[in-house]
Amino acid sequence: NAGVMQNPRHLVRRRGQEARLRCSPMKGHSHVYWYRQLPEEGLKFMVYLQKENIIDESGMPKERFSAEFPKEGPSILRIQQVVRGDSAAYFCASSQGAGNTIYFGEGSWLTVV
Amino acid sequence: GIQVEQSPPDLILQEGANSTLRCNFSDSVNNLQWFHQNPWGQLINLFYIPSGTKQNGRLSATTVATERYSLLYISSSQTTDSGVYFCAVEVRGGGATNKLIFGTGTLLAVQP
Repeated sequence: NAGVMQNPRHLVRRRGQEARLRCSPMKGHSHVYWYRQLPEEGLKFMVYLQKENIIDESGMPKERFSAEFPKEGPSILRIQQVVRGDSAAYFCASSQGAGNTIYFGEGSWLTVV
Repeated sequence: GIQVEQSPPDLILQEGANSTLRCNFSDSVNNLQWFHQNPWGQLINLFYIPSGTKQNGRLSATTVATERYSLLYISSSQTTDSGVYFCAVEVRGGGATNKLIFGTGTLLAVQP
């Protein structure tokens, strides 16, 4: 029973390039969350999605960041025109819904050089 | 917004010692989870504990929701317990949102 799968685990991008991070939720889970962990800080909520819908994106930066969870395939967190401040660990999580345990993937570490 | 404070911020233990980590939160929450982030960055679920007490091996947790705090007990600590311990509370946002707000973390180092 695979857990939450994220890829790539590590990604290096030059300033101005695009970064795409993928997340496949646990089997049977239809709720996906993205969190960002800046160096030496806790995790901060970014966005909450269900299939084909963004439910809450209150933690997403206003520009350059977008997320989707299509009917088929993984959830994608997309960062356009990356800057050094985007360097962080990006964690995806999934659950069966409200009131259920939220499980995290192993994270994707983005380094912007 | 809700504030989630953890104490102590860091802790050094000798192997075999016991410890108690605390999580205070400023408002009513739906649920609470404890996580361990190991030195490789992996986040591991420890407990899903909206109230009451649970035990899992050397770890146990107690949440008193009415008083807005939770405690994580680690007994007979081992070097593999090192890492950062986070509590996270689930809050109800607008509409059907349920999301976790993470605490500030406790950095634990267990020395052999």
